[in-house]
Amino acid sequence: QSVLTQPPSVSGTPGQRVTISCSGSASNIGSNVVNWYHQLPGTAPKLLMNKDDQRPSGVPDRFFGSRSGTSASLVINGLQSEDEADYYCAAWDDNLNGLVFGAGTKLTVL
Amino acid sequence: QVTLRESGPALVRPTQTLTLTCSFSGFSLTTDQMCVIWARQPPGKALEWLALVDWDDEKHYSSSLKTRLTISKATSKNQVVLRMTNIDPADSGMYYCARMKWRFSVIDSWGQGTLVTVSS
Repeated sequence: QSVLTQPPSVSGTPGQRVTISCSGSASNIGSNVVNWYHQLPGTAPKLLMNKDDQRPSGVPDRFFGSRSGTSASLVINGLQSEDEADYYCAAWDDNLNGLVFGAGTKLTVL
Repeated sequence: QVTLRESGPALVRPTQTLTLTCSFSGFSLTTDQMCVIWARQPPGKALEWLALVDWDDEKHYSSSLKTRLTISKATSKNQVVLRMTNIDPADSGMYYCARMKWRFSVIDSWGQGTLVTVSS
């Protein structure tokens, strides 16, 4: 069971907005930044959002990240078919003294 | 350009020790804030962080696996080695190495992964 809780799946139609939540605790999200990764089928994960809300170069501005208290969110505006992937949140956990990943959320574009 | 590549056996027998090597280029593991991590992903399941070695040779391990894991770096070779003892079929999956920057724990480059199957 993952330390960070994500919905197993979300879906939307092209053009819609979807939100993926990531819930943790004081020792991880409550104390440290959250990074988001996405993973297309059969490929390695890739950094999507870092330090809560910073988009790496090349990530469209349709993607927004935020963190508040012990939760974080990833918002995707103007959903596109190529956004269909698995999305993972991650953060350092001070109690475990290690990195923790969420269980992942599968985004389906209908 | 940062690249990482995992190598190791595709098939391992139960109870054996798995040894995986991460060969990287484009950065130095002696540079401040640089780390290499290992993570794994069973088929159809979530990512799981395993271990980390940092620029100062500090090591961190998953609390659930730390008795079975050893991570080490060969700085001169630009390699990081992960050993996992007492392998079980539940350890089957894709194993990734990646570069992580310590401050903010940002994993900014991943290897393509190596698939390990544990079976007798």
